[in-house]
Order: sequence, then structure tokens, then C-alpha cells
Amino acid sequence: DAGVTQSPTHLIKTRGQQVTLRCSPKSGHDTVSWYQQALGQGPQFIFQYYEEEERQRGNFPDRFSGHQFPNYSSELNVNALLLGDSALYLCASSLVGTRSSYEQYFGPGTRLTVT
Amino acid sequence: GNSVTQMEGPVTLSEEAFLTINCTYTATGYPSLFWYVQYPGEGLQLLLKATKADDKGSNKGFEATYRKETTSFHLEKGSVQVSDSAVYFCALSDRAGGTSYGKLTFGQGTILTVHP
Repeated sequence: DAGVTQSPTHLIKTRGQQVTLRCSPKSGHDTVSWYQQALGQGPQFIFQYYEEEERQRGNFPDRFSGHQFPNYSSELNVNALLLGDSALYLCASSLVGTRSSYEQYFGPGTRLTVT
Repeated sequence: GNSVTQMEGPVTLSEEAFLTINCTYTATGYPSLFWYVQYPGEGLQLLLKATKADDKGSNKGFEATYRKETTSFHLEKGSVQVSDSAVYFCALSDRAGGTSYGKLTFGQGTILTVHP
């Protein structure tokens, strides 16, 4: 049973650039959530995608956008990168409409460094 | 809004010692509660969960009981091992369904180091 996968593992970008991170959900899952984890902090919710639409959003600026594809995989895009965007970006998947739909499974994360 | 508060860390213990990591929460309604563990350089792994008051979640010797009256979900283990060294996160989730989609709210994390 394939778990949640993310790519790339590490990424270094320069301020002002744009970045795209990718996530494939756990087999059978249809919902993807993205979280930002700054060093030494707990993860913060960015947004959630279901049926190819953003369904819920946390307190992040519009520079953060996403997309979900028909195969349920997802991308996180960040424009005009700031030094403060340096963090571990975590993708989590879940399955809507089941008793366990509140349970999210996390990928290993993408470590983004902005210089 | 929802929030989770964990005890300040780091926590340093000797092998076979008793572990408690305190977690309290603020939420409307009836959230589900979780403990996640993060090993160095890795993502989050679900350790245990509880979905309603008085439920006890347990896994790998760890336990936590959902206490609605004290809004707490403290993590305990009777005898820790060196391999338990990691960062532990308490989290809550609104119930999925309706206008709530199960977004997780995390505490700040507690670093646990276990020495031989």
C-alpha cells in the first residue's frame, strides 16, 4: 500500500523566485492538505483540496496557491519567495465520507530553503 | 478559534523512566484528538487518536485519554526506550463533514530525548 509521497525532498531557491512542490496521496485517498512547518514549530495548515477545488484555507497569503489533479495528486505553488518561507512543507491525505475522514496521513515533506 | 498547548520542552529521561507530556486544547464542538511523532529528518507519523470523550488511544506502549472536563489529552508511557527519542505533537481536528473538513491544529511540539 503506497503511502503519501512528496517531491522534491530538498529545494534551494532565491528570494523572489517561484517554487512548485508535488504530492501524491495515499492509495485510495481523495483529499490533500498542505502544512508549513517552520523550524522548531508545529505544522500550520495552508489549505485543503478536494474534488480539484480548494475547500478550506488557513491564514496564508495569496502567494500560496495550489492545484489538485483528477488522479488526486496535488501541487503547492509559492510565488515571490521570502526568506520566511523557508520551512518543511508537509502534504497529508485523507478520504472524505468515511468514519476516518478526520485522520490524515503525512508524507516525508519537502525542505525548502530560501536564500 | 481552535488551539493546542503542549508542555514546554525539551524532556530528557533515562531509559525505562515514566513519560508524561501534557496537552490541553481549546475548541468548539467535539474535536478528535491526536498525538503525532516526528523522528529526525522525517514527516509526521500518527501515534494514537481518540474521537470522543473518555476514549483512550493507545499504540506502542503509549496511551492518552480524551478528557473533556479538563480539555486535556496527556501522553503517557510507562517505560521509555532510546528509540522513543523524537518530537511529539498533540493535535486536534474538527469533525469532517458539513462545513468542517478535518483541518488539523497542532501544538508547538515537545522534544523527547531518552538516554541509555
